[in-house]
Amino acid sequence: EAQVTQNPRYLITVTGKKLTVTCSQNMNHEYMSWYRQDPGLGLRQIYYSMNVEVTDKGDVPEGYKVSRKEKRNFPLILESPSPNQTSLYFCASSLYRGHNSPLHFGNGTRLTVT
Amino acid sequence: GENVEQHPSTLSVQEGDSAVIKCTYSDSASNYFPWYKQELGKRPQLIIDIRSNVGEKKDQRIAVTLNKTAKHFSLHITETQPEDSAVYFCAASIYNNNDMRFGAGTRLTVKP
Repeated sequence: EAQVTQNPRYLITVTGKKLTVTCSQNMNHEYMSWYRQDPGLGLRQIYYSMNVEVTDKGDVPEGYKVSRKEKRNFPLILESPSPNQTSLYFCASSLYRGHNSPLHFGNGTRLTVT
Repeated sequence: GENVEQHPSTLSVQEGDSAVIKCTYSDSASNYFPWYKQELGKRPQLIIDIRSNVGEKKDQRIAVTLNKTAKHFSLHITETQPEDSAVYFCAASIYNNNDMRFGAGTRLTVKP
């Protein structure tokens, strides 16, 4: 089944404890991205990747890191999480990097930082 | 950069009625306008999209209209059903998914 898989679905952590949220897609998509969803703010892009070894900042990149060493994987790293990073996170992918195409979202990761 | 505003933030309709959600965008160069539906606790999923060379697009009970001059586009759901209850997001982009901007979302409730 074609899908974007995120793990974990739920994560509770403490301030400053490094964490990684994994994202993997099996559709051979070139483009991958991370969003955070907060009430009243919609979906805001954190980082995106046009292809392997190519990543760039979105609208809210502060406090996050990403890597794209393989086409299928795009992990989101929080080196030192803070309470303002408590949010619902979605990984997404799409077929083309050069122009608009529908985004396929993962099931989301609800992160709580205390 | 692009800015997308979405209204209303909440919408409640009776089953069988129509629902309309409106979005405006700021950058006249935007040319791709998708709509995503997010059911409670689930991921956003594309339900319909439109490109700027088209004024209207329909898919069964769902339609999207685009007014490029006024820089707004709307989602129309006819004969609403309880399973249409969800949060709907509009989005706009110019070149590719990198510059796509989402509206804040509309929570639609369809009362049986």
